[in-house]
Amino acid sequence: GAGVSQSPSNKVTEKGKDVELRCDPISGHTALYWYRQRLGQGLEFLIYFQGNSAPDKSGLPSDRFSAERTGESVSTLTIQRTQQEDSAVYLCASSLQSGDNEQFFGPGTRLTVL
Amino acid sequence: TQLLEQSPQFLSIQEGENLTVYCNSSSVFSSLQWYRQEPGEGPVLLVTVVTGGEVKKLKRLTFQFGDARKDSSLHITAAQPGDTGLYLCEAGGTSYGKLTFGQGTILTVHP
Repeated sequence: GAGVSQSPSNKVTEKGKDVELRCDPISGHTALYWYRQRLGQGLEFLIYFQGNSAPDKSGLPSDRFSAERTGESVSTLTIQRTQQEDSAVYLCASSLQSGDNEQFFGPGTRLTVL
Repeated sequence: TQLLEQSPQFLSIQEGENLTVYCNSSSVFSSLQWYRQEPGEGPVLLVTVVTGGEVKKLKRLTFQFGDARKDSSLHITAAQPGDTGLYLCEAGGTSYGKLTFGQGTILTVHP
């Protein structure tokens, strides 16, 4: 595919369960970003990767959130012991390199915690 | 505290009206981007401005970067229902690898 893809597109889970969100960036893009977007709001930065390393984890809201990236490609965002306040759309974006102006976004994963 | 302040947060207008969205900061940026996001999709880049005082036009959309590179505006002429969406400004150059978004402006254009 030519663009950034994310899966699943929708995820409904029960409070306390763990969830794993996946992002496939554009091939060759070394930088990958995760954002959280609550309903009708802007983007909240979570974490970014340059290659497989994450120089900036400052946006992760708690230690229940973690992310990894392998092969300078796929990334997974894991939320453990989900809470209702975790409900949001989680967006992934990639760019050719970190600090690059243009980010290409995936369609997002809508997470609902009951 | 938002590094980038967007205003207004909500804008509801009739088709054919003009509007301006603002993106302001106390910091100087090397570049500023405007994105548009439709429901159920990710944001899509509209324009990048890099030079102080720069003006770029994209059909009915006019983007301006302030002389001091601290602020920007997006002006839409004769808005259409298809312009409805969330408009986000984003700035680069704040720190290596990290780009900052404003909180967004939700625009609704009624037919």
